[in-house]
Parts: sequence; C-alpha cells; structure tokens
Amino acid sequence: SQTIHQWPATLVQPVGSPLSLECTVEGTSNPNLYWYRQAAGRGLQLLFYSVGIGQISSEVPQNLSASRPQDRQFILSSKKLLLSDSGFYLCAWSDHTPNTEAFFGQGTRLTVV
Amino acid sequence: AQKVTQAQTEISVVEKEDVTLDCVYETRDTTYYLFWYKQPPSGELVFLIRRNSFDEQNEISGRYSWNFQKSTSSFNFTITASQVVDSAVYFCALSDTGRRALTFGSGTRLQVQP
Repeated sequence: SQTIHQWPATLVQPVGSPLSLECTVEGTSNPNLYWYRQAAGRGLQLLFYSVGIGQISSEVPQNLSASRPQDRQFILSSKKLLLSDSGFYLCAWSDHTPNTEAFFGQGTRLTVV
Repeated sequence: AQKVTQAQTEISVVEKEDVTLDCVYETRDTTYYLFWYKQPPSGELVFLIRRNSFDEQNEISGRYSWNFQKSTSSFNFTITASQVVDSAVYFCALSDTGRRALTFGSGTRLQVQP
C-alpha cells in the first residue's frame, strides 16, 4: 500500500532563516505531488504541484520554492522566512488519473518567530 | 474560475444529533468531481468520498450520507447520530478539467459534545 511521510512535524524558525520541508511517498511510482498551506482557521491553499521529476508548477507567487529531485521526493524551501510563512503545510500525492483524490501526509506546523 | 464555499465556519452539536455540513461549488465545466475530507485534531486530511458530476445519486456509508444536487450546485454531507469522534474540520473540494489539483473550501469545524 502507499504511504506518505512528511517531516518535521513541528518547526519553529526565526524570521530570515532558511526552510526545508521534505515529503516522500512509498508504494507508488511517478505520482503527482502537491504542497498545500493551511493558515490558522482557514482552508487549504495550493502552493505547488509536480507531475514528474523536475517539473514544478507554482500556484501563488510567494517566498517559497519547491523541488522534486527524485520521483517520490518533494521538497519545500525558502531562503529567508517571513512571519507570514507561518502555517500548517501539507504534502499530498495522487496518481495520474484525472480528477482523482489526493492523499495527504500528516503535515508540518511551522511557526516563524 | 472554480470556487468552493462552506458557509458554516463552526457547528456544535450534542452527541447523537444529526448534523449537515453544507458545500456549494462553482465551476464552468460540465465534467467535474466533488470530494469530502475530514481533518481530525492530528492534522492529517482523511479522504471520505469522491463523486462525479454525472452521478447525482445520494450515497450512504454507515452514519455518513452525501446529497449531491446539481441544480443548486451543492454537495452536502450529513452525519447521523453524531459521535464525539466525529469532531473534526471537514473540507469540501472540487476538481475539474481546468486544474490538476483540488480546490478546497474553507472548512467547517464540527464539535460534538458528549
């Protein structure tokens, strides 16, 4: 069966520091991968999605970037965090069937101080 | 543009009550899919159901049921005889041919009191 791992679970970082969140999927190959952000008390905002290695689409211009160095690895990064980057970050995967459901990791709660 | 609206920010019920969570969507596509997810306090989103735009039959799974009405662009979710374990944030989501990812509503927080 497929599993998705996301770490760390919790992170407190100072403003201006770099960020690296990692997500890996097991049990499937060539998945679609996604990064979502959930601000406190709000819905999920799609940040990035990837349909293959090295293929990244950005949904919202921001202080963040994403990379997919391997088929089942998706990394969310920032060179300098802002206070507004605080939130709950969720990685997800789906197969390439159109309009299929996505499966989510357990999330990373990021607090920028 | 597609949009999902969950007007109910928070609902509180007492255990064993029935509760309906509303979801209204907007899309220009004739083919689309609708989803419900549950987010318990642990944070992980749990997939509950996917329905396509051509299937307007209601669906029941245990205490859960879903009512899809294309005429009103709604996909409502009812929990019968709610339990404390149902306490969570519930998200409705939409997928159509224009996007590769799901568009989520803002979620409804359900609190079931013992």
